[in-house]
Amino acid sequence: GESVGLHLPTLSVQEGDNSIINCAYSNSASDYFIWYKQESGKGPQFIIDIRSNMDKRQGQRVTVLLNKTVKHLSLQIAATQPGDSAVYFCAENRAGGYNKLIFGAGTRLAVHP
Amino acid sequence: DARVTQTPRHKVTEMGQEVTMRCQPILGHNTVFWYRQTMMQGLELLAYFRNRAPLDDSGMPKDRFSAEMPDATLATLKIQPSEPRDSAVYFCASGLGQSYGYTFGSGTRLTVV
Repeated sequence: GESVGLHLPTLSVQEGDNSIINCAYSNSASDYFIWYKQESGKGPQFIIDIRSNMDKRQGQRVTVLLNKTVKHLSLQIAATQPGDSAVYFCAENRAGGYNKLIFGAGTRLAVHP
Repeated sequence: DARVTQTPRHKVTEMGQEVTMRCQPILGHNTVFWYRQTMMQGLELLAYFRNRAPLDDSGMPKDRFSAEMPDATLATLKIQPSEPRDSAVYFCASGLGQSYGYTFGSGTRLTVV
Protein backbone atom coordinates (compact mmCIF):
# COMPACT_ATOMS: atom_id res chain seq x y z
CA GLY A 1 0.00 0.00 0.00
CA GLU A 2 1.01 3.59 -0.37
CA SER A 3 2.28 5.44 2.69
CA VAL A 4 5.04 7.82 3.57
CA GLY A 5 7.84 7.10 6.02
CA LEU A 6 8.55 4.66 8.81
CA HIS A 7 9.92 6.87 11.59
CA LEU A 8 7.76 8.61 14.16
CA PRO A 9 9.39 11.74 15.54
CA THR A 10 8.29 13.08 18.91
CA LEU A 11 7.68 16.66 19.90
CA SER A 12 7.67 17.36 23.62
CA VAL A 13 6.18 20.63 24.86
CA GLN A 14 5.13 22.20 28.12
CA GLU A 15 1.48 22.74 28.81
CA GLY A 16 0.51 26.23 27.70
CA ASP A 17 3.25 26.53 25.08
CA ASN A 18 2.56 26.69 21.37
CA SER A 19 3.32 23.58 19.30
CA ILE A 20 4.40 23.43 15.69
CA ILE A 21 4.24 20.13 13.84
CA ASN A 22 5.79 19.93 10.40
CA CYS A 23 5.14 17.78 7.40
CA ALA A 24 6.81 17.51 4.01
CA TYR A 25 4.65 16.22 1.21
CA SER A 26 5.89 14.62 -1.94
CA ASN A 27 3.55 15.33 -4.81
CA SER A 28 3.44 18.83 -6.28
CA ALA A 29 0.10 17.92 -7.88
CA SER A 30 -1.55 17.45 -4.48
CA ASP A 31 -4.25 20.07 -4.10
CA TYR A 32 -5.88 19.39 -0.75
CA PHE A 33 -4.36 18.65 2.63
CA ILE A 34 -5.74 17.48 5.95
CA TRP A 35 -4.35 17.24 9.46
CA TYR A 36 -5.57 14.37 11.60
CA LYS A 37 -5.12 13.63 15.30
CA GLN A 38 -4.98 10.04 16.49
CA GLU A 39 -5.28 9.09 20.14
CA SER A 40 -4.33 5.67 21.38
CA GLY A 41 -6.84 3.01 20.40
CA LYS A 42 -8.87 5.34 18.21
CA GLY A 43 -9.19 6.19 14.56
CA PRO A 44 -7.71 9.38 13.09
CA GLN A 45 -9.81 12.44 13.86
CA PHE A 46 -10.12 15.35 11.42
CA ILE A 47 -8.63 18.59 12.75
CA ILE A 48 -8.33 21.04 9.90
CA ASP A 49 -7.88 21.09 6.14
CA ILE A 50 -6.55 23.47 3.53
CA ARG A 51 -6.76 23.70 -0.25
CA SER A 52 -3.74 24.43 -2.37
CA ASN A 53 -5.06 27.86 -3.39
CA MET A 54 -4.62 29.01 0.21
CA ASP A 55 -1.48 29.40 2.31
CA LYS A 56 -3.07 29.70 5.73
CA ARG A 57 -6.21 28.59 7.47
CA GLN A 58 -7.22 29.02 11.08
CA GLY A 59 -9.46 27.02 13.33
CA GLN A 60 -10.05 26.95 17.03
CA ARG A 61 -6.53 27.02 18.58
CA VAL A 62 -5.09 25.50 15.39
CA THR A 63 -3.57 27.04 12.29
CA VAL A 64 -2.37 25.26 9.18
CA LEU A 65 0.26 26.81 6.95
CA LEU A 66 0.99 25.62 3.44
CA ASN A 67 4.15 26.43 1.51
CA LYS A 68 3.78 24.98 -1.96
CA THR A 69 7.18 26.19 -3.09
CA VAL A 70 8.96 23.81 -0.77
CA LYS A 71 6.05 21.35 -0.39
CA HIS A 72 5.76 21.92 3.32
CA LEU A 73 2.80 21.89 5.64
CA SER A 74 2.68 22.83 9.31
CA LEU A 75 0.15 22.62 12.11
CA GLN A 76 0.33 25.16 14.88
CA ILE A 77 -1.48 24.48 18.14
CA ALA A 78 -1.85 27.43 20.48
CA ALA A 79 -1.74 27.03 24.25
CA THR A 80 -1.14 23.29 24.07
CA GLN A 81 -3.10 21.23 26.57
CA PRO A 82 -2.60 17.69 27.93
CA GLY A 83 -5.57 16.59 25.84
CA ASP A 84 -3.60 17.49 22.73
CA SER A 85 -1.20 14.61 23.38
CA ALA A 86 -1.59 12.28 20.42
CA VAL A 87 -0.05 11.34 17.08
CA TYR A 88 -0.65 13.91 14.35
CA PHE A 89 -0.74 13.00 10.68
CA CYS A 90 -0.75 15.14 7.60
CA ALA A 91 -2.50 13.71 4.57
CA GLU A 92 -2.32 14.86 0.98
CA ASN A 93 -5.02 14.42 -1.59
CA ARG A 94 -3.20 13.46 -4.75
CA ALA A 95 -5.04 14.93 -7.66
CA GLY A 96 -4.99 13.71 -11.21
CA GLY A 97 -7.28 10.99 -12.33
CA TYR A 98 -8.90 9.64 -9.22
CA ASN A 99 -8.08 11.52 -6.04
CA LYS A 100 -6.66 9.50 -3.21
CA LEU A 101 -5.63 10.43 0.31
CA ILE A 102 -2.07 9.53 1.29
CA PHE A 103 -0.81 9.85 4.86
CA GLY A 104 2.53 10.95 6.20
CA ALA A 105 4.37 9.04 8.90
CA GLY A 106 3.02 11.05 11.81
CA THR A 107 4.47 13.03 14.71
CA ARG A 108 3.88 12.18 18.34
CA LEU A 109 3.06 15.21 20.48
CA ALA A 110 3.75 14.81 24.20
CA VAL A 111 2.46 17.57 26.46
CA HIS A 112 4.04 17.85 29.90
CA PRO A 113 2.42 19.66 32.82
CA ASP B 1 -22.87 12.84 15.65
CA ALA B 2 -22.72 10.87 12.42
CA ARG B 3 -20.06 8.19 12.55
CA VAL B 4 -18.42 5.48 10.52
CA THR B 5 -19.11 2.10 12.10
CA GLN B 6 -16.66 -0.76 11.79
CA THR B 7 -17.20 -4.34 12.91
CA PRO B 8 -15.78 -6.30 14.55
CA ARG B 9 -13.61 -4.09 16.78
CA HIS B 10 -11.25 -6.96 17.48
CA LYS B 11 -10.64 -10.21 15.65
CA VAL B 12 -8.25 -13.02 16.49
CA THR B 13 -8.01 -15.77 13.95
CA GLU B 14 -5.78 -18.62 12.96
CA MET B 15 -3.55 -18.48 9.92
CA GLY B 16 -5.35 -19.70 6.83
CA GLN B 17 -8.81 -18.64 7.98
CA GLU B 18 -11.00 -16.19 6.11
CA VAL B 19 -11.54 -12.79 7.71
CA THR B 20 -14.25 -10.31 6.77
CA MET B 21 -14.26 -6.76 8.09
CA ARG B 22 -17.27 -4.52 7.65
CA CYS B 23 -17.77 -0.80 7.44
CA GLN B 24 -20.93 1.27 7.47
CA PRO B 25 -20.08 4.69 6.01
CA ILE B 26 -21.88 7.84 7.04
CA LEU B 27 -25.21 8.07 5.27
CA GLY B 28 -24.87 10.11 2.10
CA HIS B 29 -21.09 9.83 1.84
CA ASN B 30 -20.00 8.72 -1.61
CA THR B 31 -16.30 8.02 -1.02
CA VAL B 32 -14.99 5.13 1.08
CA PHE B 33 -11.36 4.33 1.88
CA TRP B 34 -9.77 1.25 3.47
CA TYR B 35 -6.46 1.75 5.30
CA ARG B 36 -4.17 -0.59 7.20
CA GLN B 37 -2.07 0.71 10.09
CA THR B 38 1.03 -0.96 11.48
CA MET B 39 3.94 0.36 13.49
CA MET B 40 6.32 -0.31 10.63
CA GLN B 41 4.33 0.99 7.67
CA GLY B 42 2.09 3.61 9.21
CA LEU B 43 -1.24 4.22 7.46
CA GLU B 44 -1.30 2.43 4.11
CA LEU B 45 -4.07 2.99 1.60
CA LEU B 46 -5.46 -0.35 0.49
CA ALA B 47 -8.47 0.57 -1.62
CA TYR B 48 -11.07 3.20 -2.21
CA PHE B 49 -14.48 3.55 -3.74
CA ARG B 50 -16.55 6.37 -5.13
CA ASN B 51 -20.26 5.88 -5.60
CA ARG B 52 -19.65 2.19 -4.79
CA ALA B 53 -17.28 1.75 -7.73
CA PRO B 54 -13.72 0.64 -6.93
CA LEU B 55 -11.33 3.35 -8.11
CA ASP B 56 -8.01 2.07 -6.90
CA ASP B 57 -7.04 -1.10 -5.08
CA SER B 58 -3.39 -1.08 -6.04
CA GLY B 59 -2.40 -1.11 -2.38
CA MET B 60 -3.94 -4.50 -1.73
CA PRO B 61 -2.25 -7.87 -2.14
CA LYS B 62 -4.55 -9.11 -4.88
CA ASP B 63 -4.08 -12.78 -4.26
CA ARG B 64 -5.63 -12.70 -0.80
CA PHE B 65 -7.42 -9.38 -0.27
CA SER B 66 -10.67 -8.22 -1.78
CA ALA B 67 -12.80 -5.14 -1.17
CA GLU B 68 -16.41 -4.61 -2.18
CA MET B 69 -19.36 -2.32 -1.65
CA PRO B 70 -22.46 -4.45 -2.07
CA ASP B 71 -24.60 -1.40 -1.35
CA ALA B 72 -24.18 2.22 -0.29
CA THR B 73 -24.42 1.35 3.40
CA LEU B 74 -21.84 -1.43 3.51
CA ALA B 75 -18.20 -1.82 2.54
CA THR B 76 -16.34 -5.06 3.15
CA LEU B 77 -12.68 -6.04 3.24
CA LYS B 78 -11.96 -9.72 3.04
CA ILE B 79 -8.72 -11.63 3.55
CA GLN B 80 -8.56 -15.23 2.41
CA PRO B 81 -6.39 -16.94 3.50
CA SER B 82 -5.14 -14.78 6.35
CA GLU B 83 -1.46 -14.74 7.35
CA PRO B 84 0.34 -13.50 10.50
CA ARG B 85 1.76 -10.56 8.55
CA ASP B 86 -1.81 -9.31 8.03
CA SER B 87 -2.01 -8.49 11.74
CA ALA B 88 -2.77 -4.77 11.92
CA VAL B 89 -5.51 -2.27 12.58
CA TYR B 90 -7.77 -1.79 9.57
CA PHE B 91 -9.58 1.51 9.21
CA CYS B 92 -12.44 2.56 7.04
CA ALA B 93 -13.08 6.23 6.25
CA SER B 94 -15.89 7.91 4.36
CA GLY B 95 -16.50 11.35 2.94
CA LEU B 96 -18.08 13.48 0.27
CA GLY B 97 -14.86 13.91 -1.63
CA GLN B 98 -12.22 16.55 -1.62
CA SER B 99 -12.63 19.68 0.46
CA TYR B 100 -14.98 18.08 2.94
CA GLY B 101 -12.57 15.95 4.93
CA TYR B 102 -13.00 12.27 5.62
CA THR B 103 -14.30 10.62 8.78
CA PHE B 104 -12.61 7.51 10.13
CA GLY B 105 -14.12 4.60 11.97
CA SER B 106 -12.63 3.18 15.16
CA GLY B 107 -10.92 0.38 13.28
CA THR B 108 -10.76 -3.40 13.42
CA ARG B 109 -7.75 -4.78 15.23
CA LEU B 110 -6.84 -8.03 13.50
CA THR B 111 -4.49 -10.58 15.01
CA VAL B 112 -3.58 -13.63 12.95
CA VAL B 113 -1.86 -16.37 14.92
